[in-house]
Amino acid sequence: KAGVTQTPRYLIKTRGQQVTLSCSPISGHRSVSWYQQTPGQGLQFLFEYFSETQRNKGNFPGRFSGRQFSNSRSEMNVSTLELGDSALYLCASTFNFLTDTQYFGPGTRLTVL
Amino acid sequence: GNSVTQMEGPVTLSEEAFLTINCTYTATGYPSLFWYVQYPGEGLQLLLKATKADDKGSNKGFEATYRKETTSFHLEKGSVQVSDSAVYFCALSSDTGRRALTFGSGTRLQVQP
Repeated sequence: KAGVTQTPRYLIKTRGQQVTLSCSPISGHRSVSWYQQTPGQGLQFLFEYFSETQRNKGNFPGRFSGRQFSNSRSEMNVSTLELGDSALYLCASTFNFLTDTQYFGPGTRLTVL
Repeated sequence: GNSVTQMEGPVTLSEEAFLTINCTYTATGYPSLFWYVQYPGEGLQLLLKATKADDKGSNKGFEATYRKETTSFHLEKGSVQVSDSAVYFCALSSDTGRRALTFGSGTRLQVQP
């Protein structure tokens, strides 16, 4: 069974631009969560989607948003990029709403210049 | 709020040495506890988990026991290998956010031949 896939793996953007990252969960998994990893703040939870609905949200500004499609694939969007948004963005999938074991993708490395 | 505290790294060991990475947590209710491992340039891999007090999670020679009385989940391995060199993250999921993991800051392990 294929793991969690994330595209693209690397992105370079400039301040003020917006970016969309994509995540395909493990087949059959219906919950997708997003995390930001930076050297200064470590790993921080962004949001979780299940059945196309946002179920939980971390403490990030409204510039960070996401959505989930009917096939469980998810996208996250960051608008008006800032230098501090440079990070590794990790997606994780879970089988259903009752379990808490998450399986992570390789991440998308975003660099904001 | 929830928090996870890990020992600072890097931890440098010789091959076949005994490993302990300390992890303590603060959480309300009955969290599940996890250890994840991150190899260079990759996402997170679930190493082991425990869902209730006195549970022992184990995988690939690594073990950790959920100690509610000391709010700890220390990672141990009896004999490390060079291939164990990676960053190890302790994490918890709480009753209020089962897929919103709270991570520790990570501990880098370097194993020398």
